[in-house]
Amino acid sequence: GDSVTQMEGPVTLSEEAFLTINCTYTATGYPSLFWYVQYPGEGLQLLLKATKADDKGSNKGFEATYRKETTSFHLEKGSVQVSDSAVYFCALREDTGRRALTFGSGTRLQVQP
Amino acid sequence: ETGVTQSPTHLIKTRGQQVTLRCSSQSGHNTVSWYQQALGQGPQFIFQYYREEENGRGNFPPRFSGLQFPNYSSELNVNALELDDSALYLCASSLGGTGAQEKLFFGSGTQLSVL
Repeated sequence: GDSVTQMEGPVTLSEEAFLTINCTYTATGYPSLFWYVQYPGEGLQLLLKATKADDKGSNKGFEATYRKETTSFHLEKGSVQVSDSAVYFCALREDTGRRALTFGSGTRLQVQP
Repeated sequence: ETGVTQSPTHLIKTRGQQVTLRCSSQSGHNTVSWYQQALGQGPQFIFQYYREEENGRGNFPPRFSGLQFPNYSSELNVNALELDDSALYLCASSLGGTGAQEKLFFGSGTQLSVL
């Protein structure tokens, strides 16, 4: 079945540091890929998405590129802020069948001033 | 603010009891899905309802059941609660589009503790 593997956290960075959170996936078809963010006490918010190979999703300075050859969708940001502290989830969804989201286990990011 | 509201926000039950969680979808959304998020884990898909019919289910036993009403609000019912049912339960609503065009809007969740 489908699965998503994320690097374990927490990831602790200083403000303005470069961020990479690794994500790899296993899927039977051609899934769409997503990054969601969860701030404390809140639900999940879609951060960015990519629907096909070599697509780059971007939002709020975050980027991720759909790499079919390495089955990866790593999240990057050039300069993190304290307000980026949250839990980040990589997810996939097949475009046929059930079309439910399959999530990774999440990576907690802590940004220190 | 996603427009998806869940109630209650917190709930404490004992093993063997039954619980009902509620979700009010964003206006105009005809599809609702439910996810279970155990502590330190990613959300896991429970089931999805489209126009009052279940149209997808994850690997959860039948004691997890749901309803969607004509106004597209939804309930998640769990019978015979077990300790492992302790989790954050998330509801997500959408317009029921196809593929990645179907953007999900998540509520803040109901934190269920089973003692």
